[in-house]
Amino acid sequence: GAGVSQSPSNKVTEKGKDVELRCDPISGHTALYWYRQSLGQGLEFLIYFQGNSAPDKSGLPSDRFSAERTGGSVSTLTIQRTQQEDSAVYLCASSLGLAGDDTQYFGPGTRLTVL
Amino acid sequence: AQKVTQAQTEISVVEKEDVTLDCVYETRDTTYYLFWYKQPPSGELVFLIRRNSFDEQNEISGRYSWNFQKSTSSFNFTITASQVVDSAVYFCALSEGRRGFQKLVFGTGTRLLVSP
Repeated sequence: GAGVSQSPSNKVTEKGKDVELRCDPISGHTALYWYRQSLGQGLEFLIYFQGNSAPDKSGLPSDRFSAERTGGSVSTLTIQRTQQEDSAVYLCASSLGLAGDDTQYFGPGTRLTVL
Repeated sequence: AQKVTQAQTEISVVEKEDVTLDCVYETRDTTYYLFWYKQPPSGELVFLIRRNSFDEQNEISGRYSWNFQKSTSSFNFTITASQVVDSAVYFCALSEGRRGFQKLVFGTGTRLLVSP
């Protein structure tokens, strides 16, 4: 079946502009995660959605970052007033959301470059 | 706090050599899960294996094998008879399983270069 998809694959923007990154999880997966991969920080967790529950935003680095998930499926990560340090690959993952033994499957990522 | 250490930054081998990637973890929980992911040059993280803390049985899948030892908090990954297609960055990760929310804590990755 189809895996996790993300769009765009690449995004180049100017400092100060807002960007939106999209994630389509695997059908039937109730849990959705956003991670960021950068040279300096490695792979780090950003935010987690599970069904209709309030998201866990504990990994968001600043209030310029926000995310939403509509209808329990597609998610959008928004970065406002982008800074050069936001340049990274943003990875989305989804899972069945089982309490306990659960595996996250990752999308191809969106490479964000802030000039 | 959870932590995963992959001390090997980069390993270079020649095709058909065996190679072991090390992973050491720290957690205060008695219930946790360990993972290995492969990131080829294309960039997508590919799931390889999941292990829970109650199952220390080693696992073999084709040329891949994993050695989980709770006594040393290690979850090492061995590739037997390496091939050029094994060239990638390999990440070890840890999650705690008490709650439904299971963020992954990743190691810094080991880049494996297999030359012909």
